[in-house]
Amino acid sequence: GAVVSQHPSRVICKSGTSVKIECRSLDFQATTMFWYRQFPKQSLMLMATSNEGSKATYEQGVEKDKFLINHASLTLSTLTVTSAHPEDSSFYICSASLASARYEQYFGPGTRLTVT
Amino acid sequence: AQSVTQLDSHVSVSEGTPVLLRCNYSSSYSPSLFWYVQHPNKGLQLLLKYTSAATLVKGINGFEAEFKKSETSFHLTKPSAHMSDAAEYFCVASNDYKLSFGAGTTVTVRA
Repeated sequence: GAVVSQHPSRVICKSGTSVKIECRSLDFQATTMFWYRQFPKQSLMLMATSNEGSKATYEQGVEKDKFLINHASLTLSTLTVTSAHPEDSSFYICSASLASARYEQYFGPGTRLTVT
Repeated sequence: AQSVTQLDSHVSVSEGTPVLLRCNYSSSYSPSLFWYVQHPNKGLQLLLKYTSAATLVKGINGFEAEFKKSETSFHLTKPSAHMSDAAEYFCVASNDYKLSFGAGTTVTVRA
């Protein structure tokens, strides 16, 4: 149980375009979803926390107008990278948690974004 | 506030020998602690977790970790390394819903 999927697993886009990444909890309802960014050979950096039906809370230094997060249902959250640039190329990982166990997060397999 | 320190950025072991990955945490109160493994271009897989129950925690794939409050440590061990254990390992602390990640330890396994 507690499986989280991400789509797509890899995406290549041209500079200036927008790309959407989906995060789904497959067998549970996720009250909270998280978006992380991971640079090569580094740890995960939390970008934002989203609760279903409310606005996401962004970490300091993360541009909310560039990284649009939508958490429209208890099983789906999306991250849209708007007007992407090469420096946005990274590995993006989402996670989800249950209301009954907020301390534990279940991670998706990640999405490799490359902006050319 | 809480923080996690993984004392080794890289650990290299021979196949069949023990593995030790060291982790220390600092927290205002006892956090929940986790070890995750990440293979290249993959997401994080939970190895084991400590949530204030037994201090010796057994996880998947033969891994275990011991919570030592007096030393604020949560070291990960495995008695016999396998080639498939080569990966990145993260020690993570949780306070309510926010996670604090260690910098990670890269494990290489020599044949």
